[in-house]
Amino acid sequence: GAVVSQHPSRVICKSGTSVKIECRSLDFQATTMFWYRQFPKQSLMLMATSNEGSKATYEQGVEKDKFLINHASLTLSTLTVTSAHPEDSSFYICSARDVGGLDTEAFFGQGTRLTVV
Amino acid sequence: GQNIDQPTEMTATEGAIVQINCTYQTSGFNGLFWYQQHAGEAPTFLSYNVLDGLEEKGRFSSFLSRSKGYSYLLLKELQMKDSASYLCAVLDSNYQLIWGAGTKLIIKP
Repeated sequence: GAVVSQHPSRVICKSGTSVKIECRSLDFQATTMFWYRQFPKQSLMLMATSNEGSKATYEQGVEKDKFLINHASLTLSTLTVTSAHPEDSSFYICSARDVGGLDTEAFFGQGTRLTVV
Repeated sequence: GQNIDQPTEMTATEGAIVQINCTYQTSGFNGLFWYQQHAGEAPTFLSYNVLDGLEEKGRFSSFLSRSKGYSYLLLKELQMKDSASYLCAVLDSNYQLIWGAGTKLIIKP
């Protein structure tokens, strides 16, 4: 199947700093990528939908100035957590679907475990 | 609103069979996915159903009834490595994935 690479897999940062997470589709083009946050024992929570070449669409309650999303190309989207706080500690996962089909499966990155201390 | 229900937790014995149910109420339907997620890892794809009926893939099978808004994932010959969370997700009329909260499956020897 298609591969989505997410980096880094784990990051620990100090409160007040910014962290950038990259999501790359390695063998297909993804006009749309999705960013999720998952707290322990909870389901995936969609944060935003990232569209190549345009502004991301954020879900209600997600601060767009805090979670900056850039989808610069058909294979790369980045999520930057700005001025991170301990409550931002979570598991962040990106996913992408192949341009070719709307009903194709979502391919997930490996996830990033963010710990803010 | 849109809603997907699945049991929070299930326990089964190694070698046995377990069925994980998922019911949904969504704005439109363009398919249902099952994903497996081990603790601390990203979900991995298991199955996709868009037509009614049973899809079998090795030890795992998935069933869909669109008229009932119902699906189940059937796991046979359970192995300890099957201990994981199983997520049900529906593709709605806008082709957005709506996720269930997941079912934690515990396998006992």
